[in-house]
Amino acid sequence: GAVVSQHPSRVICKSGTSVKIECRSLDFQATTMFWYRQFPKQSLMLMATSNEGSKATYEQGVEKDKFLINHASLTLSTLTVTSAHPEDSSFYICSARAGTSSAYEQYFGPGTRLTVT
Amino acid sequence: RKEVEQDPGPFNVPEGATVAFNCTYSNSASQSFFWYRQDCRKEPKLLMSVYSSGNEDGRFTAQLNRASQYISLLIRDSKLSDSATYLCAVNPYSTLTFGKGTMLLVSP
Repeated sequence: GAVVSQHPSRVICKSGTSVKIECRSLDFQATTMFWYRQFPKQSLMLMATSNEGSKATYEQGVEKDKFLINHASLTLSTLTVTSAHPEDSSFYICSARAGTSSAYEQYFGPGTRLTVT
Repeated sequence: RKEVEQDPGPFNVPEGATVAFNCTYSNSASQSFFWYRQDCRKEPKLLMSVYSSGNEDGRFTAQLNRASQYISLLIRDSKLSDSATYLCAVNPYSTLTFGKGTMLLVSP
């Protein structure tokens, strides 16, 4: 399968600071990238969808000003958690898809475990 | 009714057993279906796509039943390494919706 990397794998930050997470597709061009969040024992929750060169589409209940997404190239998307709070502590996972159709398979990055103290 | 529902399990089976999971979906317009495997504290990994005619990959067989709106995953000859959470994913829209997953525990 295709390879998606994510960096950092783990981050601990203080409340009120911002954290940037990078997601890269290493061996294919990702027309569409997705950002998910997963709390313990819960399902993956889609936060936003981003297509290269356009603004991200956020799911209901996700604050776009708090979770800044940039998809500047076909291989890179970033998620910035601004003014992080302890309730933002979670497992953030990106995924990438080679086409715009949902028939294309999605491949996930290894995830970033964020802990806000 | 939730968009995608799975029995959370856990399913406890001995090595060598055959086990099957179902996943029901609510939107009849869904077109794409997938099974993912997720190990504890890791990202989901694509296990297989589910095609209308059903498909098989080694010990794994996936089926789609559009009339009853469910997909299934059958694992034959279970291995210890099959222990994981199995997520189904369905696309009612342009994005995938995931179930909460079914946990499988294979014991010696």
